[in-house]
Amino acid sequence: SQQGEEDPQALSIQEGENATMNCSYKTSINNLQWYRQNSGRGLVHLILIRSNEREKHSGRLRVTLDTSKKSSSLLITASRAADTASYFCATEGSNDYKLSFGAGTTVTVRA
Amino acid sequence: DTEVTQTPKHLVMGMTNKKSLKCEQHMGHRAMYWYKQKAKKPPELMFVYSYEKLSINESVPSRFSPECPNSSLLNLHLHALQPEDSALYLCASSQVEGRYNEQFFGPGTRLTVL
Repeated sequence: SQQGEEDPQALSIQEGENATMNCSYKTSINNLQWYRQNSGRGLVHLILIRSNEREKHSGRLRVTLDTSKKSSSLLITASRAADTASYFCATEGSNDYKLSFGAGTTVTVRA
Repeated sequence: DTEVTQTPKHLVMGMTNKKSLKCEQHMGHRAMYWYKQKAKKPPELMFVYSYEKLSINESVPSRFSPECPNSSLLNLHLHALQPEDSALYLCASSQVEGRYNEQFFGPGTRLTVL
């Protein structure tokens, strides 16, 4: 079942700009993960942040987690055309190991 | 080898046909998953296998029948599907079924039911 809501649904930016997307969820979690999906293809894992972590970096990606607000954000800095994709947050519930995916944000990076 | 492979890439079948989707990984992962993804929607979990045993069935209709013959292989047998079953079917694997496990996804099989 879908737990996360993502905002915005779609984002269009110029190459070199930063892209920020947000994810909100409803129940307590063990961790929150972000995945990227290029058009009609499989998902690629980007980053995992545990419930006791507040911020994590990986290359040009920065993820924050605020468990008191049940929300997370993904920042992509210095975007490139290759970053054009759909981005999904996925939460792992604290009662089971299943991943529940958010609705996704479609990012278009214009050259 | 950090790849999950899925065959076929595309499949068109009639409502009376029987077909199978295949997924393979050679990363030594002991958990494997089937997801269904409709256009412009997030993936929805269907089944989870852990150590070759069915761990989770998300109340999927019996016209979908999963099988895990060994630790590297996962099949999804399809029979008497409906047009609304047309979707992208994604397979994934992780080291084990448990917390903090990154899932590795295959490219998917795009299924069209006529």
